[in-house]
Amino acid sequence: AQSVAQPEDQVNVAEGNPLTVKCTYSVSGNPYLFWYVQYPNRGLQFLLKYITGDNLVKGSYGFEAEFNKSQTSFHLKKPSALVSDSALYFCAVRDANTGGFKTIFGAGTRLFVKA
Amino acid sequence: DTEVTQTPKHLVMGMTNKKSLKCEQHMGHRAMYWYKQKAKKPPELMFVYSYEKLSINESVPSRFSPECPNSSLLNLHLHALQPEDSALYLCASSLDEGDNQPQHFGDGTRLSIL
Repeated sequence: AQSVAQPEDQVNVAEGNPLTVKCTYSVSGNPYLFWYVQYPNRGLQFLLKYITGDNLVKGSYGFEAEFNKSQTSFHLKKPSALVSDSALYFCAVRDANTGGFKTIFGAGTRLFVKA
Repeated sequence: DTEVTQTPKHLVMGMTNKKSLKCEQHMGHRAMYWYKQKAKKPPELMFVYSYEKLSINESVPSRFSPECPNSSLLNLHLHALQPEDSALYLCASSLDEGDNQPQHFGDGTRLSIL
């Protein structure tokens, strides 16, 4: 069965420091991987995706993610965190091999960036 | 501003009421979705429409009734809801159901059942 795991409920980082939000996946075949962010009282916003090609994917608001097939990971990173990055982050996977259209979300990681 | 518009933003209703949630997108997307989200939890898929036809019903109780009048609109009709149905209801769209494009979400309707 397809699954996505976000091992940290919460990540705390000081403003200006690098941040990492972790995600591992378990799918059959080649995964389509996404990161979304949700600010309070808002819907989810797309940050970036990995479909194929370069393992380092750059996205919105200075975020990037590294796809690692051997470790089945897709960690979200940013070189310098901002207080405004504080939000709920979801890793998601779409199983392309079965032609599936379901998006499977991780449990979410709450990021707190302290000034 | 989001490209998927949901109305109303807030809804309070009794268990015997009938109400509808509305969702609209003008991006030419052919897949539209309804999700239910509880606080601090990931969205749970309810329904998927592809080319205006219902393609997925995730065993949602019949008190929730989706409708897709045209390719830009998606409704969710509510009747005889229970207190546990209180949640944020999110609408989303994507270019196609089976593609690798991201989903675009509205800001949701926050539903409270008295």
